Amino acid sequence: GAVVSQHPSRVICKSGTSVKIECRSLDFQATTMFWYRQFPKQSLMLMATSNEGSKATYEQGVEKDKFLINHASLTLSTLTVTSAHPEDSSFYICSAISGSMGSGELFFGEGSRLTVL
Amino acid sequence: QKEVEQDPGPLSVPEGAIVSLNCTYSNSAFQYFMWYRQYSRKGPELLMYTYSSGNKEDGRFTAQVDKSSKYISLFIRDSQPSDSATYLCAGSAGNMLTFGGGTRLMVKP
Repeated sequence: GAVVSQHPSRVICKSGTSVKIECRSLDFQATTMFWYRQFPKQSLMLMATSNEGSKATYEQGVEKDKFLINHASLTLSTLTVTSAHPEDSSFYICSAISGSMGSGELFFGEGSRLTVL
Repeated sequence: QKEVEQDPGPLSVPEGAIVSLNCTYSNSAFQYFMWYRQYSRKGPELLMYTYSSGNKEDGRFTAQVDKSSKYISLFIRDSQPSDSATYLCAGSAGNMLTFGGGTRLMVKP
């Protein structure tokens, strides 16, 4: 089946630095990718919808200047957490649509655990 | 009220038991319903999806949707320790997915 790769799987950084997380669709082209945040023992919280070649659509309450999303190609979307702080520590997961959403063809990456010291 | 409600558990069952996982939802626009399995520290993986009301079976897994009562179920037969994970239900309206909070399942050998 379709595979979505996320990198890095784990990152630790100092407060104030920026961290980039990559999301790649390995065997399909994804015009739309999604970025989620997941706190321990909680569900996925959609942060933004990333469309290839256009600006991302952010969910209410998500700071677009802090969480920069770039979807420069049909197989790659990146999430950059700028000037990270300890409260940004979380599990970030991307997903990508293969085909149309209606048939459930949404595949998830393995997730990236960010720890900000 | 959350659009998709799910008991967080944990649900602990002995190996071989039949497991019933359930969700309720409030958005009448949902047409597709999914179940995802998420192992600890991993991204979710799609288990099954169903369209509108009805049942769908895949091996030991059966997904059931009752749109009249806005109720979604996932049944696991002959549960195995490897089924221990968090199970997320989701409803889809258009291009967006709304997830439940997940139910943690523990299958004890």
